[in-house]
Amino acid sequence: AQSVTQLGSHVSVSEGALVLLRCNYSSSVPPYLFWYVQYPNQGLQLLLKYTSAATLVKGINGFEAEFKKSETSFHLTKPSAHMSDAAEYFCAVKPSGGSYIPTFGRGTSLIVHP
Amino acid sequence: IAGITQAPTSQILAAGRRMTLRCTQDMRHNAMYWYRQDLGLGLRLIHYSNTAGTTGKGEVPDGYSVSRANTDDFPLTLASAVPSQTSVYFCASSEAGTGELFFGEGSRLTVL
Repeated sequence: AQSVTQLGSHVSVSEGALVLLRCNYSSSVPPYLFWYVQYPNQGLQLLLKYTSAATLVKGINGFEAEFKKSETSFHLTKPSAHMSDAAEYFCAVKPSGGSYIPTFGRGTSLIVHP
Repeated sequence: IAGITQAPTSQILAAGRRMTLRCTQDMRHNAMYWYRQDLGLGLRLIHYSNTAGTTGKGEVPDGYSVSRANTDDFPLTLASAVPSQTSVYFCASSEAGTGELFFGEGSRLTVL
């Protein structure tokens, strides 16, 4: 069984500030981990993914995430927030191998203030 | 490249009516999924299909049915809509085993 916890349903930052969105997971086998972004009135699109290669993963729009096995975490960061980063962000986990279905967190809404 | 196409984009429906949400993909992915998105609850899996001809139940399957007659199409049917089925519905697809999902733009359904 697998599960995902995203800490904080809303995160508010000022433009130019560090963005940190937290994700912790549980998985019975080594996981694949994903971050998706959803802009208003759109579907989800992949930001980045971890599939057992490098633990620091770089994604689109300047985002990156680090897989920390000891902490069972996959937090998403960006050094400097832009207004255009305002969106809903979802973390997802899938056990590696087999045809397991990804499990999504409940999402974190990122609010960027000018 | 179209990816995932969903129709309709928005619909208002009277309770008790039958409704089919359409989903078509052009990526030849094996697996397809239907999720509903509700405020505060994130994405919840309704039904899935790992390959054409097979389907499975997700977290919230009651009141919904699906079919997978071919690789490209995965319609979701509400046999008799109820107000609690008011939601935004997302169809997605993936290569089986990768876990990376490709999503449609969503279908916003309101049941009155």
